[in-house]
Amino acid sequence: QVQLVESGGGVVQPGSSLRLSCAASGFTVRTHGMHWVRQAPGKGLEWVADIWSDGIKNYYVDSVRGRFTISRDTSKNTLYLQMNSLRDEDTAVYYCARDIAVGALDFRGQGTLVTVSS
Amino acid sequence: QSALTQPPSASGSPGQSVAISCTGTSSDVGGNNYVSWYQQYPGKAPKLMIYDVSKRPSGVPDRFSGSKSGNTASLTVSGLQAEDEADYYCTSHAGNNNIVFGTGTMVTVL
Repeated sequence: QVQLVESGGGVVQPGSSLRLSCAASGFTVRTHGMHWVRQAPGKGLEWVADIWSDGIKNYYVDSVRGRFTISRDTSKNTLYLQMNSLRDEDTAVYYCARDIAVGALDFRGQGTLVTVSS
Repeated sequence: QSALTQPPSASGSPGQSVAISCTGTSSDVGGNNYVSWYQQYPGKAPKLMIYDVSKRPSGVPDRFSGSKSGNTASLTVSGLQAEDEADYYCTSHAGNNNIVFGTGTMVTVL
């Protein structure tokens, strides 16, 4: 059974760093593109970043490029999102997802809440 | 990259059909066939309902259908049921290998 378990969220001050994890089971992350999507409180969904199945190519939304880094550890079957220089506007629930086709995201987790506040 | 435009709300009575539009540009919706639709209940993760404009993942009822014309994609829910009341979001593959979400539509079953 495919499962994704996000963790690592919490309350941090502006300018801080945080690393989110997404532990996958039921499939291997090396065979799928993997994504992070976020949702600010009461707002819509926003795609944040992805890493292709080759593990090399990765892309980011403009607002996080240069601050966030997506990576994966195939030995742990886990996806990561390193978030640096956090801002108030990064406050959101962060979901990870695998793709089952180009741009078709399969969400199997509950998300993890990141709150950036002074 | 700007969000795709969806109507804020849509509604219909049980058994009726409701259609939701998703308008982008020639750089996203109009430029490829990688349009997807997601259903989201409050406090829950999104669920993929349609991908590649009109394909349904296994387990999604055939009451859900997708189409596209030019820069506008559409999701139609036929035979509306109470359980269809949720938020719906479209996405499209966009420039720079990004994915862009729509603004979201709240569907109400009257």
